[in-house]
Amino acid sequence: AQSVAQPEDQVNVAEGNPLTVKCTYSVSGNPYLFWYVQYPNRGLQFLLKYITGDNLVKGSYGFEAEFNKSQTSFHLKKPSALVSDSALYFCAVRDKGGGADGLTFGKGTHLIIQP
Amino acid sequence: DAGVIQSPRHEVTEMGQEVTLRCKPISGHNSLFWYRQTMMRGLELLIYFNNNVPIDDSGMPEDRFSAKMPNASFSTLKIQPSEPRDSAVYFCASSKPGQPYEQYFGPGTRLTVT
Repeated sequence: AQSVAQPEDQVNVAEGNPLTVKCTYSVSGNPYLFWYVQYPNRGLQFLLKYITGDNLVKGSYGFEAEFNKSQTSFHLKKPSALVSDSALYFCAVRDKGGGADGLTFGKGTHLIIQP
Repeated sequence: DAGVIQSPRHEVTEMGQEVTLRCKPISGHNSLFWYRQTMMRGLELLIYFNNNVPIDDSGMPEDRFSAKMPNASFSTLKIQPSEPRDSAVYFCASSKPGQPYEQYFGPGTRLTVT
């Protein structure tokens, strides 16, 4: 079975400061990892993914995430937050060896960027 | 590209009524996913199709829920009879061949069962 934990329901960051949204995962094998963002009254939008290769993955809107196998983490980061980054962020995982293509999503973290 | 299209955007119905949610995936995409989002349970995968064939329906809560994909451009999720605990936002998502994990989500249908 695969699972994702996002330990923070909400993260508050001042505009211009770096931000981190935490994610840890559990899979039986090697993971595929993803971050999605959801703006109010909208569907989820794909931000970035880790499949293989470099542990630091760059995605849309200046976001990046670092895959850490020993800590089973895939934290989302951005060097300088914008007010427009305020949204709900979801981490997702899929076991590479799994037979199904469905993703397992975390419960989401509300990111609030204060002007 | 129009993106994934879902209808209706909002649905309010009474307990016991049949509800049908509709989805049109992005043209050229061959996988389609139905999710349900609630405050309590977060985002749950209900069922997904590959090339119009249901692959995994283990997330469908019970027999009251059914989903079909009669062709590559249309899918339905039906709840019969509906119950208040079915109130949620239902999302449809689609993905390109060979990239099932980069999913493109529709705007969702907000279902309220009274």
